[in-house]
Amino acid sequence: NAGVMQNPRHLVRRRGQEARLRCSPMKGHSHVYWYRQLPEEGLKFMVYLQKENIIDESGMPKERFSAEFPKEGPSILRIQQVVRGDSAAYFCASSRSGLGLAQASDTQYFGPGTRLTVL
Amino acid sequence: GESVGLHLPTLSVQEGDNSIINCAYSNSASDYFIWYKQESGKGPQFIIDIRSNMDKRQGQRVTVLLNKTVKHLSLQIAATQPGDSAVYFCAEKQGNTPLVFGKGTRLSVIA
Repeated sequence: NAGVMQNPRHLVRRRGQEARLRCSPMKGHSHVYWYRQLPEEGLKFMVYLQKENIIDESGMPKERFSAEFPKEGPSILRIQQVVRGDSAAYFCASSRSGLGLAQASDTQYFGPGTRLTVL
Repeated sequence: GESVGLHLPTLSVQEGDNSIINCAYSNSASDYFIWYKQESGKGPQFIIDIRSNMDKRQGQRVTVLLNKTVKHLSLQIAATQPGDSAVYFCAEKQGNTPLVFGKGTRLSVIA
């Protein structure tokens, strides 16, 4: 019974390169969330997706960042032309539903994260 | 005792004692609250949740208390163990809006 899986666990990129972070939700979960965490800080929401749809991207920078959750395969967070300030831990979470009814099926379970370092 | 470190507030407790971690939340309309535990190098791990129509909920060795009047949430851990050492985050949510995480408290258990 695998939990949320993320890969790679560590990613090093040079300024200007692209970073692709992958997230496979828990079995039976169709809602995916991406968060970013700087050292010694809490997680900041970036984007919420359901299969093939972006539901809420209010926390995602307008430029260079994009996310998708295709019908088949993992969710991808893509950062183009990375800069040093993009260095952070990026966490993915999944839930069975996203109804906002404060019920157990809305609970978000997190993956181990991808630590991005931009040189 | 409780102290404010360089970045995260830190709570140090003796093994076997009870721990109380506090959180002040910001949105009076939030209707769902969660406590997460994050160990070094890992993702947040769900501990316990509570809806706004409750003021107390108990799990295994943990209790969450919610005081909506003063927008305060607390996590009580009974008989704290070395494995409880981690950073603890509270998170709040209103309806379909995104989870908003607090700043976190580092719990350090002294054996």
